[in-house]
Amino acid sequence: SAVISQKPSRDICQRGTSLTIQCQVDSQVTMMFWYRQQPGQSLTLIATANQGSEATYESGFVIDKFPISRPNLTFSTLTVSNMSPEDSSIYLCSVVWGMSYTFGSGTRLTVV
Amino acid sequence: SQQGEEDPQALSIQEGENATMNCSYKTSINNLQWYRQNSGRGLVHLILIRSNEREKHSGRLRVTLDTSKKSSSLLITASRAADTASYFCAPVIQGAQKLVFGQGTRLTINP
Repeated sequence: SAVISQKPSRDICQRGTSLTIQCQVDSQVTMMFWYRQQPGQSLTLIATANQGSEATYESGFVIDKFPISRPNLTFSTLTVSNMSPEDSSIYLCSVVWGMSYTFGSGTRLTVV
Repeated sequence: SQQGEEDPQALSIQEGENATMNCSYKTSINNLQWYRQNSGRGLVHLILIRSNEREKHSGRLRVTLDTSKKSSSLLITASRAADTASYFCAPVIQGAQKLVFGQGTRLTINP
C-alpha cells in the first residue's frame, strides 16, 4: 500500500486567513480524496482530486472555500480559505491503491 | 449524506466480553471496509469484505455481509481495553471508488 506524508500535523490560525495542507504520496496514484472530521464526528468527504482535471466536490463543499490542486500523481494540496471557527476540524487526505485505502495522519486545525 | 449508518452509536462493555457493531448502507457496493480510530489519531484499516463474500475473519475480528439486507456487522471477541476506539464502516459504492463513512460506533471497554 502507499505511504502518505501530510503536512502540517496541526496549526492554529486566525479567522479570515487561509491554510494550505499538503499530501505527498510515495507512489503514483490516480485518485486522491480529502476528508474533514469535525470534533466528535465521522469523516466527511470534501472532494475527489484527479490529476489533470478539476476536483469533484461533494454536496455542501465548494471550490472557493476549499480549492484543491493536483499537479502530479504523487501530490495534492487542500486550502481552507477565509477560515472561521467552524472550520476547526481534522483534515485528512487519502489514496486508493487497488482496493486498499491509505490515510494521511491528518491536520488538526484550530481557528481562533 | 453518509452511505453507512451504524448502530449503536455508543457501546460500553466489560473487558473480555464480545462487542457487536452493525452497519447499514443504501446502494450496491463493490466492497465494505471497517476502520478503527483511536481518540485523536489516524484511521487504521481493519478488514475488507467483498460484495461476494458473506463472512471474513481476522484475529479477534469477524465481519459479516448481507447484501440482500444491505448490512454488515463487526464482531470483536474477547475485548481488551486497547479496543477502546471509534469504529467506522465505509461501503465502497459500485461504480465509484470513494469511501463514504458512517457516523461510527464509539466503543468503550471497561476494565
